[in-house]
Amino acid sequence: GEDVEQSLFLSVREGDSSVINCTYTDSSSTYLYWYKQEPGAGLQLLTYIFSNMDMKQDQRLTVLLNKKDKHLSLRIADTQTGDSAIYFCAERRAAGNKLTFGGGTRVLVKP
Amino acid sequence: KAGVTQTPRYLIKTRGQQVTLSCSPISGHRSVSWYQQTPGQGLQFLFEYFSETQRNKGNFPGRFSGRQFSNSRSEMNVSTLELGDSALYLCASSLGLAGGFSSYNEQFFGPGTRLTVL
Repeated sequence: GEDVEQSLFLSVREGDSSVINCTYTDSSSTYLYWYKQEPGAGLQLLTYIFSNMDMKQDQRLTVLLNKKDKHLSLRIADTQTGDSAIYFCAERRAAGNKLTFGGGTRVLVKP
Repeated sequence: KAGVTQTPRYLIKTRGQQVTLSCSPISGHRSVSWYQQTPGQGLQFLFEYFSETQRNKGNFPGRFSGRQFSNSRSEMNVSTLELGDSALYLCASSLGLAGGFSSYNEQFFGPGTRLTVL
């Protein structure tokens, strides 16, 4: 079935690391994505990982994928106030562009 | 290069009316997808177009329809509006359709059209 789940809220202090978690149910997912949404804005793609990878690092962002447990996480190092936003994980299956999104995690960065 | 543009940005309609939303993809992009975002249901896929053909459709009633023109611009239409149609409607464009396991195919999202149904 199509089900992507995330925790609702995360509060973190500026300079600390943030870890946002996501679980998905479809083992046929090919690509998994992390998007950021700021107030009044559309979705900005942060990073993605292909389903045959375990980890991907991109500057302050690290994505970990545990395919056995269908668990995806996004770690943001040295979190800044500008990182306050809603973060969505999304999965895409074999063909076509359809994305299935999680409910989003609201991240609040405190100075 | 200009990003994805959506018009109008804000719209207020009453129940029973119909509405048409427009999306202009990034130049050179041929695929357009539409999503509905609501606080209760989150982000849900509406439909996807490529080369003027609908390639995929989400689980929405027939009141929701769309089309794509030869210049890749897309419109979506909602007829007989209901209160529950109030949402942010997001459009995303990409170069083409992702194919199988080899295609990354980044989608770029527009800022959305906020529709309020009274």
